[in-house]
Amino acid sequence: DAGVTQSPTHLIKTRGQQVTLRCSPISGHKSVSWYQQVLGQGPQFIFQYYEKEERGRGNFPDRFSARQFPNYSSELNVNALLLGDSALYLCASSPPGLAGGETQYFGPGTRLLVL
Amino acid sequence: AQSVAQPEDQVNVAEGNPLTVKCTYSVSGNPYLFWYVQYPNRGLQFLLKYITGDNLVKGSYGFEAEFNKSQTSFHLKKPSALVSDSALYFCAVKKAGTYKYIFGTGTRLKVLA
Repeated sequence: DAGVTQSPTHLIKTRGQQVTLRCSPISGHKSVSWYQQVLGQGPQFIFQYYEKEERGRGNFPDRFSARQFPNYSSELNVNALLLGDSALYLCASSPPGLAGGETQYFGPGTRLLVL
Repeated sequence: AQSVAQPEDQVNVAEGNPLTVKCTYSVSGNPYLFWYVQYPNRGLQFLLKYITGDNLVKGSYGFEAEFNKSQTSFHLKKPSALVSDSALYFCAVKKAGTYKYIFGTGTRLKVLA
């Protein structure tokens, strides 16, 4: 089975621009989470979606938004990019569960550089 | 509030020696605890998790971790380190009934030949 896939792998943008990152979960997984990993730090939770509904949101500004599609793939949008948004953006999918100990499986990430 | 601490930025160990990567957590209620490994320019790979039951959890690649409720710790261990174990290791905690995973800052493990 294919793992979690993310596109693009790398992206360079300038301040003020907008960016869309994409994620396809493992087949059968209905939950997708997004994380931001700044160099030298652990992943920071941005969003979790399940069955197209937002289930959780981390401490990120409204410039960050996401959505999930009927096929469970997801997009993360970031508006008005700042230099500090430069990071590795990770997507993770998990099998169906009710806030239990379901394991998250991560994609390879999209590395965003904001100049 | 949930939090995870990985007190060591880097751990060095000789190949063949046992290794320990430390993790302590703070969460109200029952915790779900996870270990992930990250290789350069890669996403995170799941190693093991503690949900309930036996405090000693065995995972991938010979790794294991012990849940200690009184010390609020979940240290990662391996009896005999390999050079290929060199990577960045992350501990994560999730409070039962919530959807947010909290990751530590990571510990870089370097296994010396």
